[in-house]
Amino acid sequence: DTGVSQNPRHKITKRGQNVTFRCDPISEHNRLYWYRQTLGQGPEFLTYFQNEAQLEKSRLLSDRFSAERPKGSFSTLEIQRTEQGDSAMYLCASSTSTGNEQYFGPGTRLTVT
Amino acid sequence: QKEVEQDPGPLSVPEGAIVSLNCTYSNSAFQYFMWYRQYSRKGPELLMYTYSSGNKEDGRFTAQVDKSSKYISLFIRDSQPSDSATYLCAMCDDYKLSFGAGTTVTVRA
Repeated sequence: DTGVSQNPRHKITKRGQNVTFRCDPISEHNRLYWYRQTLGQGPEFLTYFQNEAQLEKSRLLSDRFSAERPKGSFSTLEIQRTEQGDSAMYLCASSTSTGNEQYFGPGTRLTVT
Repeated sequence: QKEVEQDPGPLSVPEGAIVSLNCTYSNSAFQYFMWYRQYSRKGPELLMYTYSSGNKEDGRFTAQVDKSSKYISLFIRDSQPSDSATYLCAMCDDYKLSFGAGTTVTVRA
């Protein structure tokens, strides 16, 4: 079991550009979560999937953000027209559908210049 | 008022001391309680998971939950310099984790 992986680990982009992050959950975990963490704060929930279905989206997830999990395995998070306020660590986690223990990946650190 | 309150510290202790961390919460729907450890620029690592009031011990770590007071604690015995990290409490009612802001701990050799 290799754990949750995320790519890229660090992304620097200019304001207005689109970015996409990928998350590969622990195999056989059918729940996948995205969180955002800013400096000095705990992670904040963005959205989650049960298999390929996106079941909840936070109000933090503006219409510039979209997440997919097309085959119920890996997931992508896209941010369109990035803004400086989007600079943060984007964390992915996974769990079984019966367990509440969420295991996190290493995160993707986004810097918008 | 935030759902989960956690003193951000920082907390500095000598090696071998007991580290005491705590969080309070306001949402009675929280049923599951976790502690994560996060090293700088890394993802959170799950340390402890509990779902009922009482104590749970795992090696040098003890987690306590008091649902009547809406208060949870983490104790680290015989602290080591490698325990220096940010500790995050997290709570869950169904699927979504709500985190505290994290407490930064430094264990001095």
